[in-house]
Amino acid sequence: DAMVIQNPRYQVTQFGKPVTLSCSQTLNHNVMYWYQQKSSQAPKLLFHYYDKDFNNEADTPDNFQSRRPNTSFCFLDIRSPGLGDAAMYLCATSRGQGGYEQYFGPGTRLTVT
Amino acid sequence: ILNVEQSPQSLHVQEGDSTNFTCSFPSSNFYALHWYRWETAKSPEALFVMTLNGDEKKKGRISATLNTKEGYSYLYIKGSQPEDSATYLCADETDSWGKLQFGAGTQVVVTP
Repeated sequence: DAMVIQNPRYQVTQFGKPVTLSCSQTLNHNVMYWYQQKSSQAPKLLFHYYDKDFNNEADTPDNFQSRRPNTSFCFLDIRSPGLGDAAMYLCATSRGQGGYEQYFGPGTRLTVT
Repeated sequence: ILNVEQSPQSLHVQEGDSTNFTCSFPSSNFYALHWYRWETAKSPEALFVMTLNGDEKKKGRISATLNTKEGYSYLYIKGSQPEDSATYLCADETDSWGKLQFGAGTQVVVTP
């Protein structure tokens, strides 16, 4: 009965080789978020969707893109991963914006070699 | 305070003991304060979302308080159990967009 699913759980990619991380949800929530967490640091918001409206954080690198083809799925594309992009990537959903708890997936740990 | 800060970074607790730790956040532009529990290899799980100054919330042996004027929240664990071992993250919202700014977490290890 997993509600927010992230695949794969572990991803290894080569320096400069594009990689896509996926997130799906069974909650039918309007809002989806992508966070990046580097070792021992605070998770950092990369972008979020309210329905199909995309909101990019000002300091999210151009290297990072996202797609949300429908309510259930959201993808994080890293066009040319660098060593500094190795991190845990967390997907989350919420029913609405402002004061709603977020439901997280287990994360994808990305290694860049 | 410009960012969300949590202290201590980690703590070790004997089973049965109670403990608490702190989340500090900018007191200006406050909208909501979240607490999440993140066990190893699992998904972060929401504990509380708090919006009002003086709010106190409780879930089982875990409770939290909120002071929005001075910008801090405490999380309390009463009678710690090994299953309470996790990283506890707090995050604040500063507007109605639902964007969370997280602290780096407090890692709690409860030993039998």
